[in-house]
Amino acid sequence: DTEVTQTPKHLVMGMTNKKSLKCEQHMGHRAMYWYKQKAKKPPELMFVYSYEKLSINESVPSRFSPECPNSSLLNLHLHALQPEDSALYLCASSQDASLSYEQYFGPGTRLTVT
Amino acid sequence: EDKVVQSPLSLVVHEGDTVTLNCSYEVTNFRSLLWYKQEKKAPTFLFMLTSSGIEKKSGRLSSILDKKELFSILNITATQTGDSAIYLCAVLLGSRFMEYGNKLVFGAGTILRVKS
Repeated sequence: DTEVTQTPKHLVMGMTNKKSLKCEQHMGHRAMYWYKQKAKKPPELMFVYSYEKLSINESVPSRFSPECPNSSLLNLHLHALQPEDSALYLCASSQDASLSYEQYFGPGTRLTVT
Repeated sequence: EDKVVQSPLSLVVHEGDTVTLNCSYEVTNFRSLLWYKQEKKAPTFLFMLTSSGIEKKSGRLSSILDKKELFSILNITATQTGDSAIYLCAVLLGSRFMEYGNKLVFGAGTILRVKS
């Protein structure tokens, strides 16, 4: 089973709202990732969690706040977003972040900020 | 700056044709090169290549890496309409500090359309 699940599938939020994106995997992977993908562009890395600790933050604005409550779950808390933050947000996981393992992606959350 | 460049950007072929997609890279701390297929949503994993010259094969798809010339190709033989997708090449970069984790840098993708 190589499944990564994400909820919700779609989200529309205003600029003053607070919302959260959720990601879950049950493959025993110890590394989890958030990516942002704009239309017709490749995914861009936002955050890496390794063994439930934030190990890479790609200079993401503080209005995006990741959280890893346990090894199977990854959240992305959103607050005071801008319309340009509208994108597909992809979660991925891999067996380990420090070695060469393939990353498996979830279906994504399509976010629209109005 | 780490760069991953794919070509062509888009390609239209007929069913049954063979296609070759290219990926070249200029990066520091190369670990592996990965190929993904993206249709409507999530990229799905195809291959991971770490060693030069060893072909990986899955059905009609195959891929090989040349670490001296810094490129990889993805071949699809006897194409079908279901192969229509964006094919993403990504390079896994290692960190000087192992505990910081690896980073996947994507190319812009090749849009493949297979006509029946």
